[in-house]
Amino acid sequence: DTEVTQTPKHLVMGMTNKKSLKCEQHMGHRAMYWYKQKAKKPPELMFVYSYEKLSINESVPSRFSPECPNSSLLNLHLHALQPEDSALYLCASSQGHSERNTIYFGEGSWLTVV
Amino acid sequence: AQTVTQSQPEMSVQEAETVTLSCTYDTSENNYYLFWYKQPPSRQMILVIRQEAYKQQNATENRFSVNFQKAAKSFSLKISDSQLGDTAMYFCAFILSNTNAGKSTFGDGTTLTVKP
Repeated sequence: DTEVTQTPKHLVMGMTNKKSLKCEQHMGHRAMYWYKQKAKKPPELMFVYSYEKLSINESVPSRFSPECPNSSLLNLHLHALQPEDSALYLCASSQGHSERNTIYFGEGSWLTVV
Repeated sequence: AQTVTQSQPEMSVQEAETVTLSCTYDTSENNYYLFWYKQPPSRQMILVIRQEAYKQQNATENRFSVNFQKAAKSFSLKISDSQLGDTAMYFCAFILSNTNAGKSTFGDGTTLTVKP
């Protein structure tokens, strides 16, 4: 099983809403990631969790709040987003955090902020 | 800082033919990894092939092979016997050794369409 599952697949939210994106993997991976991807562009790293602890925050605005409840789950809490935050949000995981590890991506959650 | 350039925004190929996607990168470091990722429409991005810079032998994975020219800082992807399922956006990526796996530098991508 090499699957990273993301829910919901599509989300429309207003600028005053609070919502969450969820990600799950059962591969025993200890590193998990959030990326943001605009249409026809490469993914941009947002956050990295290693052994359930936040290890990298790529200067992401505080309206994005990650959470890693356990080694299989990763959430991204969204609050007071802007229309320019509309994008595909990709979750990914890898066995370890070193560059030798293969990263496995989920299909993503399409977010539209209205 | 490292940069990755994919000079072909879009390409097309007839089914069963061979196509080569270009990628160049810039770094002053000697130890790094290079990757090609495939992102089909509405499906997840997957790793196609990986090359370690210290290995002179070009990596191959079934119909996918690379031409790694370290001195020229070039890393092209050759897809042989193209199939309709190869239609996707392809990203070239670079990462330094001893770097967090998530911190790859990606090119802007090449959209490949395989025509029947």
